[in-house]
Amino acid sequence: AQKVTQAQTEISVVEKEDVTLDCVYETRDTTYYLFWYKQPPSGELVFLIRRNSFDEQNEISGRYSWNFQKSTSSFNFTITASQVVDSAVYFCALSEGTDSGYALNFGKGTSLLVTP
Amino acid sequence: SQTIHQWPATLVQPVGSPLSLECTVEGTSNPNLYWYRQAAGRGLQLLFYSVGIGQISSEVPQNLSASRPQDRQFILSSKKLLLSDSGFYLCAWSEAGGEETQYFGPGTRLLVL
Repeated sequence: AQKVTQAQTEISVVEKEDVTLDCVYETRDTTYYLFWYKQPPSGELVFLIRRNSFDEQNEISGRYSWNFQKSTSSFNFTITASQVVDSAVYFCALSEGTDSGYALNFGKGTSLLVTP
Repeated sequence: SQTIHQWPATLVQPVGSPLSLECTVEGTSNPNLYWYRQAAGRGLQLLFYSVGIGQISSEVPQNLSASRPQDRQFILSSKKLLLSDSGFYLCAWSEAGGEETQYFGPGTRLLVL
């Protein structure tokens, strides 16, 4: 079963628009970690943020912000005033610390295209 | 600071040929190491992980294998490639202890013809 669902396959916005990328996860563990990664056209996965299950505080980093809500099992990512350089595939991931050595369970990604 | 390297960057191989992809990490000791594969248009799938030299865990049964001959070296191999092995292979590392953030290498694009 898919543990991380990113329902939006592709999103296209015009530069300076705000955009929210949705992520819904599923776990029975009480301790887990959530991540967002950015994959630009070059292919390398760039780490953006890590949250643990005990910290529901929202976080803001420049134009990026994250909304973690355990009640709805969601960890959404918002880009404010989007820029062309934000165009990439964004992955949400869950780490449960099971037998897989804390391996990451990735969603299928959301492809974001920001046009001028 | 820590850095992770992968080579080759791209590879085109015929079906049935062997494969060896290498990943090395600098600037840390006893890291956890991971191999992921990203097929075209799909998410990332964990193939192998290692918590120490010689310790390899496989997540997906297939014709691939992994080895960790040195603390900071992780190798992905195959004796005979299949068409379905084509994809983007990413190596990642994290600090020992498990729940740390994973940092990814630049990846290897493999095309099996």
